[in-house]
Amino acid sequence: QVQLVQSGAEVKKPGASVKVSCKASGYTFTDHYMHWVRQAPGQGLEWMGYTNPNSGGTYYAHKFQGRVTMTMDTSTTTAYMELSRLTSDDTAIYYCVRDLNVLMKIGDRPLYYFDYWGQGILVTVSS
Amino acid sequence: EIVLTQSPATLSLSPGERATLSCRTSQSVSTYLAWYQQRPGQAPRLLIYDASTRATGIPARFSGSGSGTDFTLTITSLEPEDFAVYYCQQRINWPPWTFGQGTKVE
Repeated sequence: QVQLVQSGAEVKKPGASVKVSCKASGYTFTDHYMHWVRQAPGQGLEWMGYTNPNSGGTYYAHKFQGRVTMTMDTSTTTAYMELSRLTSDDTAIYYCVRDLNVLMKIGDRPLYYFDYWGQGILVTVSS
Repeated sequence: EIVLTQSPATLSLSPGERATLSCRTSQSVSTYLAWYQQRPGQAPRLLIYDASTRATGIPARFSGSGSGTDFTLTITSLEPEDFAVYYCQQRINWPPWTFGQGTKVE
């Protein structure tokens, strides 16, 4: 079965960076784009960006551009998200999320629907 | 950025009752809309995409309808495990792909 298993909780100081991981199994890693979505405590969901598993190409939401880096390591079927210059507003649960679409040929695009989610990683930013 | 407004914020019902949740978008998203369920302490789960297509493994009591700017998620007969928060999400054209603020079914 499809599983996305994320690394453990993190506590960071303002201005620091955090890098979280997401180990995928149960499907062909290169068949699906990977997105990241976050959820501040008691709040709604916010899409952050995605990575193409074949080209490594990325697209980030405007508010995170210049501060986020998303990668996928096909040799270990692990996705990573690094967020820098952290502030208290970045305190949230971060989810890796698989795109619904199965990539059948070069040029196929994601559907931007999210069918499998990791368990989430709580990142706390506090001085 | 497209804004999604969900109503009501909270829906108080009993098991076996019918739940009707609404999602309105600030501009047309055609039928490019999904619904997710989030139980307490869990990650969201995809229920419906393209406004009315049930995701794999989702029970038939969940149905979605609508197009343009007005969408509805219906749960025909609430089971105990259906008491959760429900989010809608749009995916038309350019990012960011935005979510509604959620409806809690209690």
